[in-house]
Amino acid sequence: DIQMTQSPSSLSASVGDRVTITCRASQSITSYLGWYQVKPGKAPMLLIYAASTLQGGVPSRFSGSGSGTDFTLTISSLQPEDFATYYCQQSFSSPFTFGGGTKVQIK
Amino acid sequence: QVQLVESGGGVVQSGRSLRLSCAASGFTFSNYGMQWVRQAPGKGLEWVGIISYDGSNQYYGDSVKGRFTISRDNSNNTLSLQMNSLRFEDTAVYFCAKGTSYATDWGQGTLVAVSS
Repeated sequence: DIQMTQSPSSLSASVGDRVTITCRASQSITSYLGWYQVKPGKAPMLLIYAASTLQGGVPSRFSGSGSGTDFTLTISSLQPEDFATYYCQQSFSSPFTFGGGTKVQIK
Repeated sequence: QVQLVESGGGVVQSGRSLRLSCAASGFTFSNYGMQWVRQAPGKGLEWVGIISYDGSNQYYGDSVKGRFTISRDNSNNTLSLQMNSLRFEDTAVYFCAKGTSYATDWGQGTLVAVSS
């Protein structure tokens, strides 16, 4: 199985900050990488697919990059509604494993 | 708009079975693969499994393989998850989601609590 390792596991940031979350796969997954946002009590939301393509309706302050084994999710200017937990997931091969998550908290 | 509504959750004793359903609307259900994902209390997302658009292929996560079965009824736009031999560690909110490579739309989830 492909292991997905996210870092950091949590971070504190202020509104307006630039935030970067990284995700590393245990083997190459080419660009089969999605990023999801999860808020308590709400359905998860797809932000980025194919490593760098913004899902429709997602604000342009979110961006993704990377290929192979190393990937990055960037929030260019953190907004109050962005405080949440973020997960990467590979869909290169079954089982489609998630990273451990990154909780973005208010500083 | 896409709507996915899970049902069937509840409290169940360890070793017993439970069947979850997901009612889909707002899209052509028979054209899309569908997934189940779960989140245990205070834990991260865990992929449960996926079924192809026509039901011909299913794949599962390691922790549920051999115990859980995903099926679908394209005539009634319904996705199902049959969970057998339930364990305490299966306690989680279970989400159904639309999509094969990426889960583009999700339901609100249904809680399954396994008691000893």
